[in-house]
Amino acid sequence: GDSVTQMEGPVTLSEEAFLTINCTYTATGYPSLFWYVQYPGEGLQLLLKATKADDKGSNKGFEATYRKETTSFHLEKGSVQVSDSAVYFCALGFGNEKLTFGTGTRLTIIP
Amino acid sequence: DSGVTQTPKHLITATGQRVTLRCSPRSGDLSVYWYQQSLDQGLQFLIQYYNGEERAKGNILERFSAQQFPDLHSELNLSSLELGDSALYFCASRSGTGNNSPLHFGNGTRLTVT
Repeated sequence: GDSVTQMEGPVTLSEEAFLTINCTYTATGYPSLFWYVQYPGEGLQLLLKATKADDKGSNKGFEATYRKETTSFHLEKGSVQVSDSAVYFCALGFGNEKLTFGTGTRLTIIP
Repeated sequence: DSGVTQTPKHLITATGQRVTLRCSPRSGDLSVYWYQQSLDQGLQFLIQYYNGEERAKGNILERFSAQQFPDLHSELNLSSLELGDSALYFCASRSGTGNNSPLHFGNGTRLTVT
């Protein structure tokens, strides 16, 4: 079945550092890919998405590029802030079917 | 605010009991999804409804059931509760029309079984 693999956390970085959270997927066909973020005590919020190969999703300084050849959708940000501390989930989905999520990566940014 | 409302926020109950979790989707959203989030298993898809009908089932135990009502709100019923059912239960909704529209999540119900 479909699956998403994320890098293990937790990840701790200093403010203004460069961030990469790796995400690879296994799926039959070409899914849409998503990054969601979960702040403490809240539900998941869509951060960005890409619906086809070579698409780049971006939002709030975060970017991820849909790489079909490596089945990857790595999340990057050039300069992280304390407010970026959260749990990040990579996910895949087809049409209006369910989303399949990775296990999440906890990110902590220290001032 | 995602527009998805879940009640209650917290629930503490004993093993063997039955509970009902409620979800009101965003206005106009026809699809509702239930997920279970536990520390050791991440986010697990339980079940999906579309306009009152079951659309897809995931790793939902036989002790669990759900339904979506004509007003589109949904309920997840958990019975014969076990300690291992302690988790965060999330509801999410999407419009159900078009493709690849994002899921909008509620803030979850934290269930503690003692």
